Amino acid sequence: DAGVTQSPTHLIKTRGQQVTLRCSPKSGHDTVSWYQQALGQGPQFIFQYYEEEERQRGNFPDRFSGHQFPNYSSELNVNALLLGDSALYLCASGPRGNYGYTFGSGTRLTVV
Amino acid sequence: GIQVEQSPPDLILQEGANSTLRCNFSDSVNNLQWFHQNPWGQLINLFYIPSGTKQNGRLSATTVATERYSLLYISSSQTTDSGVYFCAVERRRDDKIIFGKGTRLHILP
Repeated sequence: DAGVTQSPTHLIKTRGQQVTLRCSPKSGHDTVSWYQQALGQGPQFIFQYYEEEERQRGNFPDRFSGHQFPNYSSELNVNALLLGDSALYLCASGPRGNYGYTFGSGTRLTVV
Repeated sequence: GIQVEQSPPDLILQEGANSTLRCNFSDSVNNLQWFHQNPWGQLINLFYIPSGTKQNGRLSATTVATERYSLLYISSSQTTDSGVYFCAVERRRDDKIIFGKGTRLHILP
């Protein structure tokens, strides 16, 4: 049973560019959340998707957007990249209800 | 918003020692999870523990929801236990998951 898979594992982008990160949830999970983790900090909640709609959103600007597909996989898009967007981006999936979340290995984004 | 505070922020122990990590939260929560983040960034789910006590090998956890805290116990520490331990709570009013800042654990051989 595959867990949460994220791609790519590492990415280097230039300021001003756009980036798309991808996440496939664990089998049986229908809810996907995205987190940003800066170096030395705890993960910060970006947004959550369920039934192909954004259900919750953290304190992130509109440059951060997402999508969930009918197969529950999800994308995170970041436009007009800033140096401060450099971080580990984590995807978590879970079943609807209070059963806890499983995290992927993350995508490490470096903006130069 | 809800505050999640973890203590201590850093802990250095010799292999074989026992440790207790604490997580305090300031509001009612639906659930609480403990994670271990390894040096490669992978967050490993240790416990899903909204209340009560659970044990898994050398690790155990207790959450007292009425008093808004949770404890993670690590016995007979091994060097592979090194890393950052995070507590994450799902706040009741909107289901958002909030992480603490973590406890960085170093186990010396």
